[in-house]
Amino acid sequence: AQSVTQPDIHITVSEGASLELRCNYSYGATPYLFWYVQSPGQGLQLLLKYFSGDTLVQGIKGFEAEFKRSQSSFNLRKPSVHWSDAAEYFCAVGNSGAGSYQLTFGKGTKLSVIP
Amino acid sequence: NAGVMQNPRHLVRRRGQEARLRCSPMKGHSHVYWYRQLPEEGLKFMVYLQKENIIDESGMPKERFSAEFPKEGPSILRIQQVVRGDSAAYFCASSPRDSLGSPLHFGNGTRLTVT
Repeated sequence: AQSVTQPDIHITVSEGASLELRCNYSYGATPYLFWYVQSPGQGLQLLLKYFSGDTLVQGIKGFEAEFKRSQSSFNLRKPSVHWSDAAEYFCAVGNSGAGSYQLTFGKGTKLSVIP
Repeated sequence: NAGVMQNPRHLVRRRGQEARLRCSPMKGHSHVYWYRQLPEEGLKFMVYLQKENIIDESGMPKERFSAEFPKEGPSILRIQQVVRGDSAAYFCASSPRDSLGSPLHFGNGTRLTVT
């Protein structure tokens, strides 16, 4: 069965600093990978996704992620963090088995931004 | 376009009562997915429905939980005889197709508290 590990439960960065959130996955076939962001009391918003092709994918809000098959990783990056980026970030792997479209989520990384 | 609408936003039930959670998908979306988020956990898939059909309920507890998506009206997630362990945030997502290429759009969730 597929799984997603986000090693960092909580990360704090200063505004303007760079950010990297780690994600490792376990999946037998070519993975479909996603990053979602959840603001407090809100639902999840898709930041970006990887299906195939270029291993560096661009998303909304200035985020990007790089797929590294050899490391089973899909880390999320942003060169300069804004205070509004404070939220919880979830990495997910998609599975098209069992006749439906299921996502397996990691436990999330909470990002705090210091002004 | 209105997004995925869930109500109520917050629901408090005593042990043994019933909880009914509603989800109206985005306009034009006929595929609905329910996910549950326990405290400090990522989202876990529960059930996938199309109009009038349950397609995949592999993530749904075998007892007390049921879901429907009638021809008219919202999708309903029903929890009978709630227990404290049912306290969680329940998210609905919709999609125009059941395909990993078609991103899920999430609602803001219903926070269920069982006292």
